[in-house]
Amino acid sequence: SQQGEEDPQALSIQEGENATMNCSYKTSINNLQWYRQNSGRGLVHLILIRSNEREKHSGRLRVTLDTSKKSSSLLITASRAADTASYFCATHRADSSYKLIFGSGTRLLVRP
Amino acid sequence: NAGVTQTPKFQVLKTGQSMTLQCAQDMNHEYMSWYRQDPGMGLRLIHYSVGAGITDQGEVPNGYNVSRSTTEDFPLRLLSAAPSQTSVYFCASIPLSGTNTGELFFGEGSRLTVL
Repeated sequence: SQQGEEDPQALSIQEGENATMNCSYKTSINNLQWYRQNSGRGLVHLILIRSNEREKHSGRLRVTLDTSKKSSSLLITASRAADTASYFCATHRADSSYKLIFGSGTRLLVRP
Repeated sequence: NAGVTQTPKFQVLKTGQSMTLQCAQDMNHEYMSWYRQDPGMGLRLIHYSVGAGITDQGEVPNGYNVSRSTTEDFPLRLLSAAPSQTSVYFCASIPLSGTNTGELFFGEGSRLTVL
C-alpha cells in the first residue's frame, strides 16, 4: 500500500492565487520530500523536510510537517501558469532509509 | 553529466515477450531504483540497489528481475510480459555517501505497452 496520500487529487486555481496540497503518511519517517512532474516528464525534486523540522521555505514554496498527525503540506504562493503540474510527496521511512515511497499525487492546474 | 538515462523511451510488446529496460547514471550514485507509474496510482517501487552486487525488492517486484554488475547500470528485465505491466517506468538514483541531500534524480521515463 502507498505510504503517502495526497489531498486533493486535483486542484484548479487562478494565476496569482495560492495553492495548498496535503500529504498524509502511515509510518514513522526520516524525511519527507515533495516532487513535481510535468506532463510526460520525469520527476523533479522540490524540497526536503526532515522529521525534526516543522517548516521549510524555498522561494515560493513553503512546506510544513506535523509528525504527530503524520501529515505535511506544500504551499505554492502567487501561483503561475508554469506551476501547472502534478505534485507528489515521498517519504523515507524510519525503518528503511533506502526506500523512498511516493503518494498518488495532486494534479494542479493554474489558469492564466 | 548526462544524469540518469533510460532507454528505450517507448516500447510495444506482445504478451509473453521479454525485454530489458536500460538505466545508466554517470553521477557515481550508489543507490539506484526502478518505479512504475500508473494513472491514479502514483509511483510504486519495483526494485532497488544500494551498490554493485546488491539488489532488493520494493513494493511491486513480481514479474521483474534486476541486476547490478556496475555502479553505473541498473537494467530492469521483464521475462514474460503481461498486459498488467503496461505502464511508465522510471529509473532514479541518489548518492549514499558524500553530499547526500536526499534528492532522487529521475530519468525521463520509458513508456511500455503490452498487447
